[in-house]
Order: sequence, then structure tokens, then C-alpha cells
Amino acid sequence: QSALTQPRSVSGSPGQSVTISCTGTSSDVGGYNSVSWYQQHPGKAPKLIIYDLHHRPSGVPDRFSDSKSGNTASLTISGLQAEDEADYYCCSYAGSNTLVFGGGTKLTVL
Amino acid sequence: QVNLQESGPGLVKPSETLSLTCTVSGYSISTGYSWGWIRQPPGKGLEWIGTIYHSGITFYSPALKGRFTISLDTSKNQFSLKVSSVTAADTAVFYCARVTGATVAFFDNWGQGTLVTVSS
Repeated sequence: QSALTQPRSVSGSPGQSVTISCTGTSSDVGGYNSVSWYQQHPGKAPKLIIYDLHHRPSGVPDRFSDSKSGNTASLTISGLQAEDEADYYCCSYAGSNTLVFGGGTKLTVL
Repeated sequence: QVNLQESGPGLVKPSETLSLTCTVSGYSISTGYSWGWIRQPPGKGLEWIGTIYHSGITFYSPALKGRFTISLDTSKNQFSLKVSSVTAADTAVFYCARVTGATVAFFDNWGQGTLVTVSS
């Protein structure tokens, strides 16, 4: 069971959109609609922002959206704001009641 | 509103057993949901350690080598993690979290995390 692959970093200017990919295999991302995304600011605990494909917890802005194609899930943040600068992690169900995280992506708002 | 709070020693010696506790408030863990542990080495990413269902059934990351044990103490509304034979590679911030979803696959409430350093 290997970690899901995410880009180490992405960046964008305020108001722009950025997309973070999360690539796994048919045994995890591709096999289930159970990918979640977390936002983590420095020194803070991760915060759930997307779960089970297209679901956002209450209070999470609709600027955060997701998609999936094959073995790759993606998180898109539109209308970038300075407060979106953080690390982002994907996590997928990997069968047999196991989970696997991605390596994380650092988002810089220019 | 459910709250989770990790507690444990900040420093553990190599080869010893690390014990961490997560105290849950605002929800009775014996009622339902599942509960998990995640760790994050300094400057690195998140790693799922394992999940315990409210029934007591446990599942662990196959990437870890059997040194991890999660248990429930419903009388105290707590769940715990033990890590045996720790090494410097186990130095990390450890988070406890509530796990939910149809496939028990996402973490909707997290503790603030506790840093554990393994050093002699």
C-alpha cells in the first residue's frame, strides 16, 4: 500500500483557480468513491473539506470542489484567497477497511 | 459538538512503549462512529495508523509492522494507541480523529495533536 501521489506544490494568484491532483491505483482511488480532502494550516490539525466525492461539510465554501477520473482525484479551489494558503492532503479508502493518504501539496497564494 | 483531546508523554526513549490517549467529549464513543489515529512526522505528510470501530474491531495500516495497538475504554469515553519498540522514526505529531462515512473512510473531527519525540 503506497501513499497516493500529489504534486509537492502548486501556486496561484488571488482570484484564480488551482487544481491539486491525487493519483492512486484501481485498488484505492479508482476503486471507490471514498476520497476525502483535508486542509492543514501550519501548526494546526487537518480540517475536512471534501468527502465521498462532491460532499462538503457545512461551513466549507463552495469554492472548494472535487472530481475523479480513473485513478486520479482532483481538488479545485476557485477564487483563491490568501487564507487558502495551506497544505492539502487527499485520503482514499483502499479496501479491507484500510485508508491511505497522499503525500500532501503545499498551496502558495502569490 | 464533539471534541477530541490527545494526551501522552512528550518524550519516549528508544525501545520503550509509547501510550497515547484520546479523550472524547460531546459524544459517547460506545454509541457509534469509529475512531482513528493518524501521525505526522515533523515536516512530513499524514499517515493513517489505524481505526477502531465502536464494537472494538480494529484495522491497521498494512504499511506498519504490527507494533501498533488501538483500544477503547468506554467507561472513560477514551480510546488509546500503544506503539511498542519505538525508534526515532516514530517521532511525530499524533492525531486522534472521529472516522465516519459509508466506508468509514474520512475524518470529520480531529484532536489538536500531540508531539511525541523518541530520544534517549
